[in-house]
Amino acid sequence: QSALTQPASVSGSPGQSITISCTGTSSDVGSYNLVSWYQQHPGKAPKLMIYEGSKRPSGVSNRFSGSKSGNTASLTISGLQAEDEADYYCCSYAGSSTFVFGGGTKLTVL
Amino acid sequence: EVQLVESGGGLVKPGGSLRLSCAASGFTFSSYSMNWVRQAPGKGLEWVSSISSSSSYIYYADSVKGRFTISRDNAKNSLYLQMNSLRAEDTAVYYCARVTVGATYIDYWGQGTLVTVSS
Repeated sequence: QSALTQPASVSGSPGQSITISCTGTSSDVGSYNLVSWYQQHPGKAPKLMIYEGSKRPSGVSNRFSGSKSGNTASLTISGLQAEDEADYYCCSYAGSSTFVFGGGTKLTVL
Repeated sequence: EVQLVESGGGLVKPGGSLRLSCAASGFTFSSYSMNWVRQAPGKGLEWVSSISSSSSYIYYADSVKGRFTISRDNAKNSLYLQMNSLRAEDTAVYYCARVTVGATYIDYWGQGTLVTVSS
């Protein structure tokens, strides 16, 4: 149950695109196309942004997209906006109704 | 509207016990697996435990196995976490979280309840 690996921080200017990576193992990210991504603003609960690798829940902007290659999943945010500044966490299904999270990435919009 | 409201957090001494509750509304609680996820101050999210819709399947993170017990009462639309032998490293905000019907991702979170373990 080792945490998935994410960069501690990323930054970008308004209008730019950024990508956050999430590296796991063949037991979690590599075994299932079941990575989800969550946005968390300070003092708030996490919010689902991407599920099952690349699907967006209703109401989430199409500026958010997800992908996966091997043991690494990625979240891309295009057309950065000030309100995108938050912490982002990846999460992978790890079998038997268990989950493993990444360490989180702080996104700064410059 | 799906709502998950946690309660029961507070200050407890090392070695003590605490029971968290989560009141669910806005969906058919008995049809969904539920999880507890925690977040230590300034740290990332950590999956703690999961329970299937009928309580047939229960899983724990290694960090809490043998000390925490997850349970649910579908008649009361409630989820629980009994925490025993608490340690300083258990200090965190504890979130109640719903797992989607396919049980492959968490789709809704409560606002969390803070547990502080300190002498």
